[in-house]
Parts: sequence; C-alpha cells; structure tokens
Amino acid sequence: QVQLQESGPGLVKPSETLSLTCTVSGGSISSSYWSWIRQAPGKGLEWIGCVYYSGRTDYNPSLKSRVTISVDTSKNQFSLKLSSVTAADTAVYYCARRIYDRSGSRFDSWGQGTRVTVSS
Amino acid sequence: DIQMTQSPSSLSASVGDRITITCRASQNIGNHLNWFRQKPGEGPKLLIYAASTLQTGVPSRFSGNGSGTEFTLSIIRVQPEDFATYFCQQSYSISPITFGQGTRLEIK
Repeated sequence: QVQLQESGPGLVKPSETLSLTCTVSGGSISSSYWSWIRQAPGKGLEWIGCVYYSGRTDYNPSLKSRVTISVDTSKNQFSLKLSSVTAADTAVYYCARRIYDRSGSRFDSWGQGTRVTVSS
Repeated sequence: DIQMTQSPSSLSASVGDRITITCRASQNIGNHLNWFRQKPGEGPKLLIYAASTLQTGVPSRFSGNGSGTEFTLSIIRVQPEDFATYFCQQSYSISPITFGQGTRLEIK
C-alpha cells in the first residue's frame, strides 16, 4: 500500500515561492503519475498538475505560468513550486498518485494534506 | 474546462438510509468519472472509478452509475463513517482535470 506524505513551510509571504515536497513510501515512484491538488478554505478541490517519473509534466492552464512540478527518483520524492503567491493561494495542499490504465485514470492514493497560509 | 456540477450541495440522512448524489458534466465524458469521500482533516479516498467500478477495499454499499453527462453515487444503509463530503471528478480531459464542488452528507 503506497503512502504519501507532504512536507514544507506552513506560512509563505506574498510574492514569494511556495515549495512543498511529497515523499512516497511503500512503492516506487518510478511508475504512475504523481500529482498536486489543493483545497482553499471552504472550497472544492483544484488540480494543480502532474509529473511522470520520466519528468514529463502536465499543468492546470490556470496556474501553468507559476507552477513547476519535479521528481527525484533517487529519493522517491516529487515537489511543487508555486511562484508569486497571493492570499488566493492559501489552501490545504495534497499530493496524490494518479494511475492510468485501460479503465482510465484516477487518484487512488492521497497524502493527508498540508495547510499553507500566504500572509505577511 | 469541463465543468462538474453536483447536487445536492448538502443532504441529511439517518444511519441505515439510502442516499443518492448526482454529478453532471458540461460535456460528454463517457464513463471517465470518479467518486471520492473526504472526512474532515483527511485526504480524499477513492470510492468508485470509471463511473461504476468499486475501488478495492471499498464496501459494497457504495455504487456508481451513469455515462455521458449524468452520473450518480448511491449508498445503501448509510453508516456513521459515511457522514462526510463527497466529490466527483472527471478524468476525460487532463487540461484540466476537474472536480465537482462537493456534497456534504450530514446526520439528520
């Protein structure tokens, strides 16, 4: 059973870069797609983007200009960087595994989430 | 973007009741629809994928139906752990992947 754990600062200043890491255990990161998803207070879920172990990425067009997702297979980790943050980026950030097979794709494993607040 | 609209936004039920949540897509997504349950303070848990396939380990009281633009999630004999928020998600288009706004199931 693969497990995911988010880590990173809980407070980021406006205009700075939010950086989070997701550590994968119980399985290899060298398969599947690995994703970041966020949930603003009282709101629904917003997909940020995915990275494949090869480094190929897909991003939400609404965030694409500010997002970088990367993978480190040697550490079984993947990371999120979101630049030029504002209060609108305050949210709980989740990492998740996205698997893709003949039944389609789905997020089958999630981290517990980490709360990030953007404030000076 | 493919818009996903859930109804109702909240509903009340008692333990043992049967409930149904509806999710509508703004365009035809075939059967590329997944359902999640989220308890407070936790990450979402996958319940149903490909509209009607039960994820391994999920109790059989959950079922999914539908195709095209209209989908349903049903729970027969609601249990105490089912009082949570439910989300649908389309996996037809990755640009971007989108979720419904959520349906909160509360204790009556």
